[in-house]
Amino acid sequence: EPEVTQTPSHQVTQMGQEVILRCVPISNHLYFYWYRQILGQKVEFLVSFYNNEISEKSEIFDDQFSVERPDGSNFTLKIRSTKLEDSAMYFCAWWEKIYEQYFGPGTRLTVT
Amino acid sequence: GQQVMQIPQYQHVQEGEDFTTYCNSSTTLSNIQWYKQRPGGHPVFLIQLVKSGEVKKQKRLTFQFGEAKKNSSLHITATQTTDVGTYFCAGLFHRGGGNKLTFGTGTQLKVEL
Repeated sequence: EPEVTQTPSHQVTQMGQEVILRCVPISNHLYFYWYRQILGQKVEFLVSFYNNEISEKSEIFDDQFSVERPDGSNFTLKIRSTKLEDSAMYFCAWWEKIYEQYFGPGTRLTVT
Repeated sequence: GQQVMQIPQYQHVQEGEDFTTYCNSSTTLSNIQWYKQRPGGHPVFLIQLVKSGEVKKQKRLTFQFGEAKKNSSLHITATQTTDVGTYFCAGLFHRGGGNKLTFGTGTQLKVEL
């Protein structure tokens, strides 16, 4: 399984603060995804990002969220003003082969 | 919207017993994938099923895709403690310009010695 880094592994932040979650893939994939998983619940799609543009987004992905690939390698998810309900694991993901989706190790976000 | 449900939500088995989780979609799927997530870990891809009625095996794991491509199952024969985790199905619904996975609710498997 390809190695991917997600930083930080754990982020604790106060409500209303901005957080930036990062994903660094090793391959030059064009198609990326962000998913979140609230503790004990299912994995939920947030947004897909293709060729430096948002391809699709879910209802969860409101104006508080944004995604970027600022330097061509890092892939970031920004939450502008965190809420308690944003506490979750956030995974970046990509297609390694046709319809085999791989996930990064995740960032645990805790909003207090 | 598209929903994918799984049953049961939890399953406790004795080591050596069989285990099955069932996945049902509200609409027809393009394909279905199965993932395993260990406690504290990330989802790990297991397999993809594409064809109606398809059956695939991986050692003690058997995956099946329904004829109508709206349901699927994962069966584990003679469970081992290493099988512990949550098993998710995930459906692929093709849309113009993007393909996203809709995950099922998951079945958490615990295996006791």
